[in-house]
Amino acid sequence: SAVISQKPSRDICQRGTSLTIQCQVDSQVTMMFWYRQQPGQSLTLIATANQGSEATYESGFVIDKFPISRPNLTFSTLTVSNMSPEDSSIYLCSVGETGLSYEQYFGPGTRLTVT
Amino acid sequence: AQSVAQPEDQVNVAEGNPLTVKCTYSVSGNPYLFWYVQYPNRGLQFLLKYITGDNLVKGSYGFEAEFNKSQTSFHLKKPSALVSDSALYFCAVREKTGGFKTIFGAGTRLFVKA
Repeated sequence: SAVISQKPSRDICQRGTSLTIQCQVDSQVTMMFWYRQQPGQSLTLIATANQGSEATYESGFVIDKFPISRPNLTFSTLTVSNMSPEDSSIYLCSVGETGLSYEQYFGPGTRLTVT
Repeated sequence: AQSVAQPEDQVNVAEGNPLTVKCTYSVSGNPYLFWYVQYPNRGLQFLLKYITGDNLVKGSYGFEAEFNKSQTSFHLKKPSALVSDSALYFCAVREKTGGFKTIFGAGTRLFVKA
């Protein structure tokens, strides 16, 4: 299994500003994912971040709002841009390794509150 | 399109009693099925998975789940619940030929009362 850390663990931000969330994995992984989770609710996939190529965004999420970087096989960032209170949520980084395992592993999450 | 249904928002059970958390799914092909657990203020943890083979799979913390293809279900079970099992449980599905995109259910909150 992979050990995943996220920074920051939580933040309170003002509307109109941007926040970059970092995800670090203790081993090289092929696929990294970013999810959004409203407190006590299910997970919604924002995008899949693949090293060496553009991130793939799910319906309802766009690159201008949620730019993602994946500079190497152990690190990714998600930026939440021009934030509004509707962006208040928990953001989770997740990893998977095609061909070797099937399950995903999740970071502890970043709790974002936009005021 | 893939989908997962967890019909119960909440399940209450007394400590020592058996527990079941229900999950049904819909995929166009054969599924990979998963259960994850989320404790308060923590990320999701993998519990168990069905990939192929024996329909009864065993996972962490004494949990097990049974894959039922005819009923398209993958219910999570444990013979004897512990108070520490209280958490939010997510069922998830992925099509075997659908890449790595996983769909999560809405979640079921389990309360185990001492």
